[in-house]
Amino acid sequence: KAGVTQTPRYLIKTRGQQVTLSCSPISGHRSVSWYQQTPGQGLQFLFEYFSETQRNKGNFPGRFSGRQFSNSRSEMNVSTLELGDSALYLCASSGTGSRDTQYFGPGTRLTVL
Amino acid sequence: SQQGEEDPQALSIQEGENATMNCSYKTSINNLQWYRQNSGRGLVHLILIRSNEREKHSGRLRVTLDTSKKSSSLLITASRAADTASYFCATDAYNYGQNFVFGPGTRLSVLP
Repeated sequence: KAGVTQTPRYLIKTRGQQVTLSCSPISGHRSVSWYQQTPGQGLQFLFEYFSETQRNKGNFPGRFSGRQFSNSRSEMNVSTLELGDSALYLCASSGTGSRDTQYFGPGTRLTVL
Repeated sequence: SQQGEEDPQALSIQEGENATMNCSYKTSINNLQWYRQNSGRGLVHLILIRSNEREKHSGRLRVTLDTSKKSSSLLITASRAADTASYFCATDAYNYGQNFVFGPGTRLSVLP
């Protein structure tokens, strides 16, 4: 099976812009979770989608949003970008739920100038 | 505060030596997982241990879990240069409205 794919791999934006990141889970996986990784805060959970519904949400402002499509592909959107949003954004998929092993994609490196 | 905390933050050893990393957590868990991350890439799942298990092996990896002390350890035996990476423990905080909560990680350097 193909692994989790994320696009784009690298992105440079300026403050105030918005960005959309995409994640394609492993075929058959219905749960997709998003994480933000920064040197200062480490890996922080953003949200999880399961069967097109947001099931869990971390402590991030409303500028961070996501959605999941019927084919389980997921997108996350960050509006009004801030310098502090520069990070590696990781997507992970799992089979039946968030308590299962999560399989991570390679991440999208977002730089906000 | 974070659920999982790895110790030490950084570890440097010679090839062939064993590496031990520890993880402590604060609340009850259903399972604990260890992941490896090579330099800014995605995380690779290593092993999952459930709360009713005490020890688990996978190849050169040995994980123990002590729920009474709320701690886990990851032992890598006969380390190789390719084991150089950051290692994270993740505890499920599903009952607390979170997903998995990751510790800050241990940076392991295996010197040839």
